[in-house]
Amino acid sequence: AQTVTQSQPEMSVQEAETVTLSCTYDTSESNYYLFWYKQPPSRQMILVIRQEAYKQQNATENRFSVNFQKAAKSFSLKISDSQLGDTAMYFCAFAHMNRDDKIIFGKGTRLHILP
Amino acid sequence: DGGITQSPKYLFRKEGQNVTLSCEQNLNHDAMYWYRQDPGQGLRLIYYSQIVNDFQKGDIAEGYSVSREKKESFPLTVTSAQKNPTAFYLCASSLFSAGYSNQPQHFGDGTRLSIL
Repeated sequence: AQTVTQSQPEMSVQEAETVTLSCTYDTSESNYYLFWYKQPPSRQMILVIRQEAYKQQNATENRFSVNFQKAAKSFSLKISDSQLGDTAMYFCAFAHMNRDDKIIFGKGTRLHILP
Repeated sequence: DGGITQSPKYLFRKEGQNVTLSCEQNLNHDAMYWYRQDPGQGLRLIYYSQIVNDFQKGDIAEGYSVSREKKESFPLTVTSAQKNPTAFYLCASSLFSAGYSNQPQHFGDGTRLSIL
């Protein structure tokens, strides 16, 4: 069965610092999607970034970037120049490509940005 | 603007009572999902539906029921058989199923259900 593991339940960093959130996953497939979602205190889930497994280039979205290591089955999220508004729960997620299947979420990392 | 609307935002259930959570989307998405969120548990899938009049159980379907009579609507009923229903419930949708989709899931604002 596919699993998504986020090994850091909670993290805190100072504003303007860079922080990296870890995510590993387990699958025997070679084609899939990986996602990072953000859930701020308002509770609405928001997509932060997405990576297709067949793409070698790491996805980037403004201050958010990923380090996708396919062989290691690792998908970490880097937040540069962190802001107070980045305080949220962050969920890593996995979905097979071209399969009739559902997204699998990790348990989340709670990130606190300190002023 | 397209999106997902969940109602109510807060809901209280009495012992032995069934309650229904509403989820409506105007994104023309095929697939819809219900998740339960508990502290420290992340998101757990309750039910999902890829097309109208069809749905599948997720990881924690016991004590819940759903229907998908319209593409836009995917209501979740929390039955009296669900002994620990207090949680935050999130509805989501995506174009086709998650694996086929080039669009990631969109989420509603959630419903918080509590026991009286």
